[in-house]
Amino acid sequence: KQEVTQIPAALSVPEGENLVLNCSFTDSAIYNLQWFRQDPGKGLTSLLLIQSSQREQTSGRLNASLDKSSGRSTLYIAASQPGDSATYLCAVRQGDNFNKFYFGSGTKLNVKP
Amino acid sequence: EPEVTQTPSHQVTQMGQEVILRCVPISNHLYFYWYRQILGQKVEFLVSFYNNEISEKSEIFDDQFSVERPDGSNFTLKIRSTKLEDSAMYFCASSPQGATNEKLFFGSGTQLSVL
Repeated sequence: KQEVTQIPAALSVPEGENLVLNCSFTDSAIYNLQWFRQDPGKGLTSLLLIQSSQREQTSGRLNASLDKSSGRSTLYIAASQPGDSATYLCAVRQGDNFNKFYFGSGTKLNVKP
Repeated sequence: EPEVTQTPSHQVTQMGQEVILRCVPISNHLYFYWYRQILGQKVEFLVSFYNNEISEKSEIFDDQFSVERPDGSNFTLKIRSTKLEDSAMYFCASSPQGATNEKLFFGSGTQLSVL
């Protein structure tokens, strides 16, 4: 069964820092990987989707990379802002039943002013 | 931007009662999903639904759970006899065609508390 792990579980940085969030998965037979943002008590906002054939995707200050063979993805946030404070989740879409996403437990990010 | 909407945002119920969680997927989407997140745990898949049928369900989705698309816009999750361990945030999601290259779009969730 696919296991998705995110490190670190929590991260606190001063405003303006560049940072990297890590996601690893045990089964490399994935269709794609999606990064989400979750604010407290709220839903999941899609940030970036990387297909299995892609190496990276960029949106504004966010850049996500994927190394499918090693089972790793990173989310790079440039010039962090207090508004970036949230929990970041990665999820992989996988398997015979491709409608299922497996989620990591998230990295809780706090950007201090 | 179109959104998946869920009602209610919070639901409190007594153990053994039936609850119905409601979702309005994005209007031109064809695949619908329910996920849940127990406090402090990972978001986990419950069920996917396409063309008025369940296309896949997890081991969590037992006989106490059912889904329905009663009309052209709503998608519901029913829990027949709630248990304490059903307390969780329930997320509805939709995708355009269910293709492997598509994003999932999530609603803001219904926080279910079973007392």
